[in-house]
Amino acid sequence: EPEVTQTPSHQVTQMGQEVILRCVPISNHLYFYWYRQILGQKVEFLVSFYNNEISEKSEIFDDQFSVERPDGSNFTLKIRSTKLEDSAMYFCASKGNRQPTYEQYFGPGTRLTVT
Amino acid sequence: AQSVTQLGSHVSVSEGALVLLRCNYSSSVPPYLFWYVQYPNQGLQLLLKYTSAATLVKGINGFEAEFKKSETSFHLTKPSAHMSDAAEYFCAVSDNTNAGKSTFGDGTTLTVKP
Repeated sequence: EPEVTQTPSHQVTQMGQEVILRCVPISNHLYFYWYRQILGQKVEFLVSFYNNEISEKSEIFDDQFSVERPDGSNFTLKIRSTKLEDSAMYFCASKGNRQPTYEQYFGPGTRLTVT
Repeated sequence: AQSVTQLGSHVSVSEGALVLLRCNYSSSVPPYLFWYVQYPNQGLQLLLKYTSAATLVKGINGFEAEFKKSETSFHLTKPSAHMSDAAEYFCAVSDNTNAGKSTFGDGTTLTVKP
């Protein structure tokens, strides 16, 4: 069964450094998402992406964040200058547009630790 | 706008007892509803989903949920808890547009006592 993959599984970085989290969505999907889960908290929406542009973003997704689909397979989340509070699990998700469901398929997540 | 309320951040049951995890939603459009399970330090596993077909939805591991529009609820149940059911459970709602994001509840931690 097709699945969403994410790399790396765990990233440790120092405050102020740039990080890029990578995701490979399911190949025929058209909608892509990033979510964040701070340890012990709920999953929060960051951004959705369709047709090579952001379709919606949350208040969390400020100027420090950017997303890109650099080729036909990868979907990346970049944090320009990481802060301690960016430490979280980051989940990528993708979705097709076929009935009967618009279910999002989640990747296994990347745990980001900012020290 | 969408929102999800999960009543009870912690639920404890005995092994073999009924599991009931509550979820109420708010949505301005007909919703899609989901339950996910998350084990420690792992990702989200989809248990079941409601996508406007049958209101009683059966999922994996013996879980099921019933969509009740009049009560705006989508409670998760399992007749007999197993030790392996101990985990965090999230209810989520998304709208039925193509680009609709998911909005998650705060989660319920299920503890199963022997």
